[in-house]
Amino acid sequence: GDSVTQTEGLVTLTEGLPVMLNCTYQSTYSPFLFWYVQHLNEAPKLLLKSFTDNKRPEHQGFHATLHKSSSSFHLQKSSAQLSDSALYYCALTWASSGSWQLIFGSGTQLTVMP
Amino acid sequence: DMKVTQMPRYLIKRMGENVLLECGQDMSHETMYWYRQDPGLGLQLIYISYDVDSNSEGDIPKGYRVSRKKREHFSLILDSAKTNQTSVYFCASSSRGEQYFGPGTRLTVL
Repeated sequence: GDSVTQTEGLVTLTEGLPVMLNCTYQSTYSPFLFWYVQHLNEAPKLLLKSFTDNKRPEHQGFHATLHKSSSSFHLQKSSAQLSDSALYYCALTWASSGSWQLIFGSGTQLTVMP
Repeated sequence: DMKVTQMPRYLIKRMGENVLLECGQDMSHETMYWYRQDPGLGLQLIYISYDVDSNSEGDIPKGYRVSRKKREHFSLILDSAKTNQTSVYFCASSSRGEQYFGPGTRLTVL
């Protein structure tokens, strides 16, 4: 079946270092991939979504590239900031039988230390 | 401005009491969701609604039911709440798979 895997539950790094959060997926359809971010005591909100034309989405310094060959949509940032500390979810969505289906990954808690 | 609202934001109930959580959206989205989130855990899907009176169970529907009589409103009902239903509940609406979340309801069942 369709699935999303985030292998790291917890990532801790020092401010200024690069960030890479892993996301791989399995899908029998042509899916869209999303990254959502959830700061402490807030609701999840959309950070990035994949495009169909191989463009690389970017937002707030984060970027992610959909690699269909490796079924991956890793989240990256060149230099972590303290304010990036949050819970990050990768999500897979696809259209089926006239409706959109969605699966969230288990989430990666990113902590950025000074 | 696209918005999902949830009421109440905080709720304390005693075990065995009934609970009603309300969600509204102003985007005319067909699909809406209820999730719960426990400390240290991810989002767990309770129910999906594809439109008025078209609801499907998610991954953890036991102990919950939903009602959607208007496209803009989606309610989550706990009949006889249990202490293990203490959690933060998020509602979301969706357009082409992209989810818009409400601010959440923090429910405590004593």
